[in-house]
Amino acid sequence: SQQGEEDPQALSIQEGENATMNCSYKTSINNLQWYRQNSGRGLVHLILIRSNEREKHSGRLRVTLDTSKKSSSLLITASRAADTASYFCAPSGYSTLTFGKGTMLLVSP
Amino acid sequence: DAGVIQSPRHEVTEMGQEVTLRCKPISGHDYLFWYRQTMMRGLELLIYFNNNVPIDDSGMPEDRFSAKMPNASFSTLKIQPSEPRDSAVYFCASSLEGTAPTFFGSGTQLSVL
Repeated sequence: SQQGEEDPQALSIQEGENATMNCSYKTSINNLQWYRQNSGRGLVHLILIRSNEREKHSGRLRVTLDTSKKSSSLLITASRAADTASYFCAPSGYSTLTFGKGTMLLVSP
Repeated sequence: DAGVIQSPRHEVTEMGQEVTLRCKPISGHDYLFWYRQTMMRGLELLIYFNNNVPIDDSGMPEDRFSAKMPNASFSTLKIQPSEPRDSAVYFCASSLEGTAPTFFGSGTQLSVL
């Protein structure tokens, strides 16, 4: 299965702090994607990192990928209350995306 | 583009009734996915289509579930008969290809009483 496993399951921080979420997977991948889900809404694509990339940035987001360890991390810098959401990784092989149970991030003002 | 459009947004029905969920994918996307999300099981892939053809329905829980995609701009997920354990949020999503960024609809919150 391509399903990723996010860690921690829940994370609570203060505004302005950085948030780091991790993802582990078991099989080889073509790319790995991160998604955000606000309460009651659909998932929103955040960033895609290809298997031959090690790091990628998008605004306040920084994603790393270590294919030798089959792991990825998502760093959100200078967090805001609006970043409160669940975050999912989706390791992608050569077919479809499957999702883990995500990390619930709570950013308090 | 308006994104992936799902209807209805909420559905409340009684056990045994037929439920039909509808989805309009983003124009030009060749892949359409149906997911189900519950607290216990997380986000599960039920079935996906490529160019209107069902490719993998191994995630469909039972024969009570069926999905169709009669054309590139419309898909349905039907549950007949519905049961309380079918209560969940059902998401439709589409993408240009299977491993490309996937765009989700707002979901249908289904409650089966």
